[in-house]
Amino acid sequence: EAQVTQNPRYLITVTGKKLTVTCSQNMNHEYMSWYRQDPGLGLRQIYYSMNVEVTDKGDVPEGYKVSRKEKRNFPLILESPSPNQTSLYFCASSKAGGSTDTQYFGPGTRLTVL
Amino acid sequence: AQSVTQLGSHVSVSEGALVLLRCNYSSSVPPYLFWYVQYPNQGLQLLLKYTTGATLVKGINGFEAEFKKSETSFHLTKPSAHMSDAAEYFCAVSESDSWGKLQFGAGTQVVVTP
Repeated sequence: EAQVTQNPRYLITVTGKKLTVTCSQNMNHEYMSWYRQDPGLGLRQIYYSMNVEVTDKGDVPEGYKVSRKEKRNFPLILESPSPNQTSLYFCASSKAGGSTDTQYFGPGTRLTVL
Repeated sequence: AQSVTQLGSHVSVSEGALVLLRCNYSSSVPPYLFWYVQYPNQGLQLLLKYTTGATLVKGINGFEAEFKKSETSFHLTKPSAHMSDAAEYFCAVSESDSWGKLQFGAGTQVVVTP
């Protein structure tokens, strides 16, 4: 089954404790992206990747890091989480990242930073 | 730069009634427009998209949307609401030069009453 998976689905942590949210897709997509969803704000792009070893900032990159060492994986790293990073996070992928491409979303990771 | 405005954060419709969700966009270049649906505790799923060609676009689950350039709108409709349509709906826009970057609206929560 074609899908985007994220782990963990739920995470409660404390300020300053480094964490990684994993994202993996099995569709051989070149383009991957991370969004955060906050009430009343919709989804905002954090980082995206056009291909292996190619990443760039989205609209709200502060406090986040990403890496793309393999085509299928695109982990999101919070080196020192803060309470304002409490949010619902989605990973997405698409074939080539073109403006008309459909993006496929993972199920989401709900993160709470205390 | 592109932006999206969804009118109404919450919409309540009776089962069998028309569903109308409003979306207006601003874009400096020809836009590509998307509607996504998010069911509780799930990721986003594409309902339909407009890229080029016919301005009336049909999607899954009986939804359709019409691109009106003169009104900068891309409203989503369904003639007869079903209980299973209860979800949050997001309008999004990308531009030909934005390469995969989706700008989302704030979302509209749809409640269907018996």
